[in-house]
Amino acid sequence: DTAVSQTPKYLVTQMGNDKSIKCEQNLGHDTMYWYKQDSKKFLKIMFSYNNKELIINETVPNRFSPKSPDKAHLNLHINSLELGDSAVYFCASNLGGLDEQFFGPGTRLTVL
Amino acid sequence: DAKTTQPPSMDCAEGRAANLPCNHSTISGNEYVYWYRQIHSQGPQYIIHGLKNNETNEMASLIITEDRKSSTLILPHATLRDTAVYYCIVRVPGSQGILIFGKGTKLSVKP
Repeated sequence: DTAVSQTPKYLVTQMGNDKSIKCEQNLGHDTMYWYKQDSKKFLKIMFSYNNKELIINETVPNRFSPKSPDKAHLNLHINSLELGDSAVYFCASNLGGLDEQFFGPGTRLTVL
Repeated sequence: DAKTTQPPSMDCAEGRAANLPCNHSTISGNEYVYWYRQIHSQGPQYIIHGLKNNETNEMASLIITEDRKSSTLILPHATLRDTAVYYCIVRVPGSQGILIFGKGTKLSVKP
């Protein structure tokens, strides 16, 4: 009965490849998020998404795109992977606004 | 950028209270103070939040100064499992729920 789950937990790939990370929440939440935690442990928002609005952090390259097949899922697609994309990516969800966010366990992406 | 300032690290003896300070001197009247923590290799976890009044839940207490320029998170009886990075975050309604994390405080609870 995991609340927010991510797959895969680890992802190792070559530069230039395209990959996806999946996120699912079973909490009935309306809003989902993607955060990136780099090697220096800084956590930064990438996207905020509900069925009405996508908020994109302007620093996120357009090689990154969130896709939501339904309210319970927000997948992260990354095109033309670069070395600097290596990081831990966290998905989160909440009811929206200031409601507490529930985070997934993270996906460690390593680009070789 | 984060609107809060926290000490980079703190130590606490197991079983004692851990008091984690946070400065948010530029906080506005409608901004809330939130605390999250991240235990090693896990996703961040919500702890508590407040606006003006002190708050307490099963995890911690939050003390906000009267001028709201600083706050303290209190873990009343710290355990080894409380070792984590603690983030103090100021949030404003209408911010699309986005969390702006700073560098946080690395709390080490020692036996």
